[in-house]
Amino acid sequence: KNQVEQSPQSLIILEGKNCTLQCNYTVSPFSNLRWYKQDTGRGPVSLTIMTFSENTKSNGRYTATLDADTKQSSLHITASQLSDSASYICVVSAMGAAGNKLTFGGGTRVLVKP
Amino acid sequence: NAGVTQTPKFQVLKTGQSMTLQCAQDMNHEYMSWYRQDPGMGLRLIHYSVGAGITDQGEVPNGYNVSRSTTEDFPLRLLSAAPSQTSVYFCASRRGLAGLTSYNEQFFGPGTRLTVL
Repeated sequence: KNQVEQSPQSLIILEGKNCTLQCNYTVSPFSNLRWYKQDTGRGPVSLTIMTFSENTKSNGRYTATLDADTKQSSLHITASQLSDSASYICVVSAMGAAGNKLTFGGGTRVLVKP
Repeated sequence: NAGVTQTPKFQVLKTGQSMTLQCAQDMNHEYMSWYRQDPGMGLRLIHYSVGAGITDQGEVPNGYNVSRSTTEDFPLRLLSAAPSQTSVYFCASRRGLAGLTSYNEQFFGPGTRLTVL
């Protein structure tokens, strides 16, 4: 069964500090991995996407890494800001011609404190 | 572009009542889908559509119906609401067909928070 596990479930960091979120997956065959940011009361918004051949992708202060061999990804937030307070969701897509093959992780809730 | 819009934003139902959650997109996307999001769990796919007139079941379709008469609209119907359907519902759309073009970004609506008493 395809699964995506994220850790930690939640974390609190001080403004200006860095943090790293983890995503482990067992989705097969792998197509791509995307990180979403979901603000409270809003829908998820895409941050980065990586395919099998990409091992890092940045979007401003967000940097995602992918190790397709170990089936792990991380999202690093640099110099956190109060607006980074949100849930971050890892989504892995499996190759397939029929049906939606997206598997969503449960998310990591990040709270940035001043 | 308004993107993906959903109405209502909040809804409270009694067990056994029926209702329709509305979803519309103005990006001419072929693929639309409905998810539910429950605390501590990842989004789960309810139903999806790869184009007007074509719908299919996702991971958790029981108790829900959908139709796709136009490219823009994809309503979700709760036939007889149950407390287990208390959740936040998200509609999403993206270009292209499911699976073949999962690389295309999926755009989510703002969600509908549904409570069934």
